[in-house]
Amino acid sequence: QKEVEQDPGPLSVPEGAIVSLNCTYSNSAFQYFMWYRQYSRKGPELLMYTYSSGNKEDGRFTAQVDKSSKYISLFIRDSQPSDSATYLCAMSAGTGNQFYFGTGTSLTVIP
Amino acid sequence: DTEVTQTPKHLVMGMTNKKSLKCEQHMGHRAMYWYKQKAKKPPELMFVYSYEKLSINESVPSRFSPECPNSSLLNLHLHALQPEDSALYLCASSQELFGVGEQFFGPGTRLTVL
Repeated sequence: QKEVEQDPGPLSVPEGAIVSLNCTYSNSAFQYFMWYRQYSRKGPELLMYTYSSGNKEDGRFTAQVDKSSKYISLFIRDSQPSDSATYLCAMSAGTGNQFYFGTGTSLTVIP
Repeated sequence: DTEVTQTPKHLVMGMTNKKSLKCEQHMGHRAMYWYKQKAKKPPELMFVYSYEKLSINESVPSRFSPECPNSSLLNLHLHALQPEDSALYLCASSQELFGVGEQFFGPGTRLTVL
């Protein structure tokens, strides 16, 4: 079983839609959960990170962690064409511990 | 300056060539990383330098040779590569080793091995 599972998509939504991206994981030692955005042929860019369970909001983005279900989500409100990218989740047991990445979900927002 | 730069952007090389990838950061970060990413796959960790010393080598073939000349620079020397080594090579840095929320990636070098 992979450490982190992520549906690769592709996901295609109309502009203005709410997007939900998800990852599941198997390692209960993971405490930190990150979302990266990667545009085509570019490096990943950190969008958000959260510690343990709960929600974190930043503008149109909300990250949600449910440690009991080993499930994390990223919600994008009022999606824009500029949000079209691949979204990677990543997890870690903490500083000093290797990150484990999901395979990424490809998102296209259609104008 | 929160930027990690990588050169070249693109590289095409034959299996007998020797080439180098370069990475630079001026954020004062003490940990630097090389990742390899194939299409539609997550980044795979190759090497980690912490305080200019190699701290992690993820069983990478010896045809890849990392070097950290100083705290701002990271090189990846390539020799006798195989076509399956074609990928996007990403450099990243962070203040602490695997510092959460602070790992910055460069744009990558797109490598094609013929």
